[in-house]
Amino acid sequence: AQRVTQPEKLLSVFKGAPVELKCNYSYSGSPELFWYVQYSRQRLQLLLRHISRESIKGFTADLNKGETSFHLKKPFAQEEDSAMYYCALSGQETSGSRLTFGEGTQLTVNP
Amino acid sequence: EPEVTQTPSHQVTQMGQEVILRCVPISNHLYFYWYRQILGQKVEFLVSFYNNEISEKSEIFDDQFSVERPDGSNFTLKIRSTKLEDSAMYFCASSKLAGALTDTQYFGPGTRLTVL
Repeated sequence: AQRVTQPEKLLSVFKGAPVELKCNYSYSGSPELFWYVQYSRQRLQLLLRHISRESIKGFTADLNKGETSFHLKKPFAQEEDSAMYYCALSGQETSGSRLTFGEGTQLTVNP
Repeated sequence: EPEVTQTPSHQVTQMGQEVILRCVPISNHLYFYWYRQILGQKVEFLVSFYNNEISEKSEIFDDQFSVERPDGSNFTLKIRSTKLEDSAMYFCASSKLAGALTDTQYFGPGTRLTVL
């Protein structure tokens, strides 16, 4: 079974502070991990995926298979980063590529 | 940039009625998905669809649910006899590829279904 856990429902930081959104997963095979973001009144959109190993909008995430984690980090948060962030997993062994989502973390960046 | 569209944005229905939620995936995409999110809960996978058949479904996707691609553009989710607990936001998504290397899934804006 696939499972994704985001332990923080709410996270509040000040502009310019570092931010880390935690994500842990459970999956017996080779997972693909994603971060999706939903800005206010907008649709879910992909922020980044672990196989790309790139930084998007200053965010990075490293897959740690030993700790089964895929935490999202940004060194200096901006007000426009305020949004709902979802960690998601897809199992390569599963046809159809269903995404299993975490509960989401609402990030608020205060001025 | 092409986007997934969904209609209606909000649907209100009486318990026991049938509803059809509509989606237009991105035109060159081959895989289609439905997810739902009950208020305050996580986004849950319902079903994936490829080559005119279901490729995977979750335990939520019981006999009350069905999906169809009636023409070359629309992808629909039908709930035959709605229950109060079907009230949720329903998201359609599409991707070019799937399988061994998961392609990005692009989501629609969602349809909020309210069952009274």
